[in-house]
Amino acid sequence: GENVEQHPSTLSVQEGDSAVIKCTYSDSASNYFPWYKQELGKRPQLIIDIRSNVGEKKDQRIAVTLNKTAKHFSLHITETQPEDSAVYFCAGYSGTYKYIFGTGTRLKVLA
Amino acid sequence: DGGITQSPKYLFRKEGQNVTLSCEQNLNHDAMYWYRQDPGQGLRLIYYSQIVNDFQKGDIAEGYSVSREKKESFPLTVTSAQKNPTAFYLCASSTGSTTGELFFGEGSRLTVL
Repeated sequence: GENVEQHPSTLSVQEGDSAVIKCTYSDSASNYFPWYKQELGKRPQLIIDIRSNVGEKKDQRIAVTLNKTAKHFSLHITETQPEDSAVYFCAGYSGTYKYIFGTGTRLKVLA
Repeated sequence: DGGITQSPKYLFRKEGQNVTLSCEQNLNHDAMYWYRQDPGQGLRLIYYSQIVNDFQKGDIAEGYSVSREKKESFPLTVTSAQKNPTAFYLCASSTGSTTGELFFGEGSRLTVL
């Protein structure tokens, strides 16, 4: 079946450094790729998304890139801050009401 | 204030008991979802509903049941047939469009004693 692989499962960076999380999807029909941030004990919240007709999208310190040929997309966080510490989930969506989530990356930003 | 409300936040169940988790949304969204979250396994889809009085099984529907009698409500029942029900349960909704953002509730943590 369809799946989304996410790496790494944990990531520790020094404050001010960049963090990159990568996801690979299997469903060629996927056309929407959101990223969610989940702080401890809280609900996942959308932080950025990208559609299949776009290769890159930026929002302040956060960017997402998409390579449709290779079926992978990545989240880039620059100038990391302690409040960026959370679990990040990627997902693929093909318009059939089924979002396929990655297994999550626990990001720790060390002060 | 628009959003999704889940209750209860914490729930304890004895083995053999059914429990029902509530999910209400006032976003006027057509689609609603239930996900189960376990450590290291991401979010797995239990059931989803596109419209009132209609719902479909997700990837791990065994041992669960749902109803969608009203647009704003999508309760999940965890039955005694679910062998490992201890988990964090998340309800979500979306407009149902081809690229609709998922809005999540705060979650319900179920523990079987």
